Amino acid sequence: NAGVTQTPKFQVLKTGQSMTLQCAQDMNHNSMYWYRQDPGMGLRLIYYSASEGTTDKGEVPNGYNVSRLNKREFSLRLESAAPSQTSVYFCASRSLPTGRQDGYTFGSGTRLTVV
Amino acid sequence: DQQVKQNSPSLSVQEGRISILNCDYTNSMFDYFLWYKKYPAEGPTFLISISSIKDKNEDGRFTVFLNKSAKHLSLHIVPSQPGDSAVYFCAASGNSGGSNYKLTFGKGTLLTVNP
Repeated sequence: NAGVTQTPKFQVLKTGQSMTLQCAQDMNHNSMYWYRQDPGMGLRLIYYSASEGTTDKGEVPNGYNVSRLNKREFSLRLESAAPSQTSVYFCASRSLPTGRQDGYTFGSGTRLTVV
Repeated sequence: DQQVKQNSPSLSVQEGRISILNCDYTNSMFDYFLWYKKYPAEGPTFLISISSIKDKNEDGRFTVFLNKSAKHLSLHIVPSQPGDSAVYFCAASGNSGGSNYKLTFGKGTLLTVNP
């Protein structure tokens, strides 16, 4: 089925380790986003890419980097993981411009634990 | 500073009754509002949206009301069903069609519908 695919689904890191969260969409969407979800905090935007070749910071970008590899793929990198980055990470995409009013399509998430 | 507020962390209703989920926003530049539904271990899924040029949008059992003067929106679910039990996120955007479209989310409300 068409949609947003995130890998891995689960990951445990030690403090200081690095890793890249992968995201790919097959809907030919222009914009892609990375959010984190923490208890009591809702969904907070880390970085987004309005179109291929562009990236911008969101609300909580510190400690992260992103790469819009091509139109399909948008990766999130933690260079030196910290316990505060323990969270569930969601990737999303959206077609733009569009007359549709249905917002984002989300992936199923990556649950990351930093010990 | 929280721009989208869902002040009720949880709500419990009986099957067949009405569920009313509330959301307030502070940013007067927001002109497009959405509700997402999230089950455990899944990504959020789009439910219903409303543009600021409207005050009501209906889709089956789901209706969203927007009161711009009060900066308040609500989601009504009638009748409520046990399968509606999930976390509901309110989201808002100030640029529904532009290249910098991004959503700001509330913290979510956990709805439990009891049989």
